[in-house]
Amino acid sequence: DGGITQSPKYLFRKEGQNVTLSCEQNLNHDAMYWYRQDPGQGLRLIYYSQIVNDFQKGDIAEGYSVSREKKESFPLTVTSAQKNPTAFYLCASRGPYGNQPQHFGDGTRLSIL
Amino acid sequence: QKEVEQDPGPLSVPEGAIVSLNCTYSNSAFQYFMWYRQYSRKGPELLMYTYSSGNKEDGRFTAQVDKSSKYISLFIRDSQPSDSATYLCAMIPMNRDDKIIFGKGTRLHILP
Repeated sequence: DGGITQSPKYLFRKEGQNVTLSCEQNLNHDAMYWYRQDPGQGLRLIYYSQIVNDFQKGDIAEGYSVSREKKESFPLTVTSAQKNPTAFYLCASRGPYGNQPQHFGDGTRLSIL
Repeated sequence: QKEVEQDPGPLSVPEGAIVSLNCTYSNSAFQYFMWYRQYSRKGPELLMYTYSSGNKEDGRFTAQVDKSSKYISLFIRDSQPSDSATYLCAMIPMNRDDKIIFGKGTRLHILP
C-alpha cells in the first residue's frame, strides 16, 4: 500500500537536545511538507520541498532544519533553538501539480522531558 | 481578516442527523477546495476535493462550493458515532504553488 510513514509515533526531548523526526513516502511524490499542529492553532507550515536537494522555509521555520537527499525521505530536526517544541508534527506529500491535495502521515507527538 | 474562517466547535449532534460544516474565505483566488477528517492522534485524511462551484457527492458526504459567496460546506447524512472527528477545510489558490491554506478545524461529536 502506498502511503506516508512517520516515526516515531511519540518522542521525548531533553533540554538542549536536537531530535530528528522521520518521514518516508512511497507515493513517488516530488513535493513534501512538514507542519506543526497545536490545539486551537490549526496547521502551521514549517518547511517544504518541491524537489530533491531543495527546500524552502515555511511560516515557522525558526528552530527547525530539514534535508532532502532522497525523493522518498524528508526528515525534520527540531533543534535546541526551538524553545517550545511540544506539539504534534505532521508530514505530507503531494503529486506533481500545485493544485493537487496533500496526503498526510499519522504524525509524531513530541514532548519535553 | 483571516484568509479562511472555520468555527472550531465543538458541534454535537445526535446519531442519524444531518451535519453541516462550513468555511468562509476572503481570497477570490482560491480555486480548489478540500475537506479533511482527522481522528485524535492521527493525520488528516482527505475526504473530498472539488474545484468548481456546485455540489459533489461521495456516499454520505456532500461537498458544496459557492464561489460567489466565498463559502464552502460539507454535509454528512445519516451521521454515525464513527464520524466523530475534527474536520478541516483547505483551499489552494491559483498561481501560488505549494500554498495550501487550512482552516483550523471543527470538532464534531456524534451522540449515540
